[in-house]
Amino acid sequence: DTGVSQDPRHKITKRGQNVTFRCDPISEHNRLYWYRQTLGQGPEFLTYFQNEAQLEKSRLLSDRFSAERPKGSFSTLEIQRTEQGDSAMYLCASSLATGTEKLFFGSGTQLSVL
Amino acid sequence: AQSVTQPDIHITVSEGASLELRCNYSYGATPYLFWYVQSPGQGLQLLLKYFSGDTLVQGIKGFEAEFKRSQSSFNLRKPSVHWSDAAEYFCAVGTRNYGQNFVFGPGTRLSVLP
Repeated sequence: DTGVSQDPRHKITKRGQNVTFRCDPISEHNRLYWYRQTLGQGPEFLTYFQNEAQLEKSRLLSDRFSAERPKGSFSTLEIQRTEQGDSAMYLCASSLATGTEKLFFGSGTQLSVL
Repeated sequence: AQSVTQPDIHITVSEGASLELRCNYSYGATPYLFWYVQSPGQGLQLLLKYFSGDTLVQGIKGFEAEFKRSQSSFNLRKPSVHWSDAAEYFCAVGTRNYGQNFVFGPGTRLSVLP
């Protein structure tokens, strides 16, 4: 169990640029989740996958955000035309789909939009 | 929609003292309830969870929590705090433990005095 890995740890970008983050879940986990966390707040759900299928997206998620999990293993989260309000910690988590599963979180990618 | 409040933004206790972190939720039925801990630079780690049955649940690191339906509360307790317990603590509630119906509270930051 190598844990959930996220890359990069930190990303600084200019407003209007596109950014992409990667998440490698625990290898046997079939569910993968993306969350966003801002200072002083708890994680906010963005989207989740079961295998390669994206099963749910937050109603609040802008269409500038897109996520993929093409082979049911790693996932990428892309933000297009970044805005200063996108500055946050982006967390990935994975789990086995058991109905009472435990989420395993990565350390996150800290995005700063200048 | 469910919501979670954690009334205490920041709590400071002395090492060896007891601890209680408050969590209140708003939900129409009995939800799934969780406590997660986040240490600086680390991902969130599950401390304990409640799905059904005994309303007093034991978790890792000596933590316990009690579900009180009449008070819509799920407070976290530890009889004797260690310096390594200094972290951010998040209560979470949902109809299941993932997706947009799974909501994290804003967190309580715990500081421990030597």
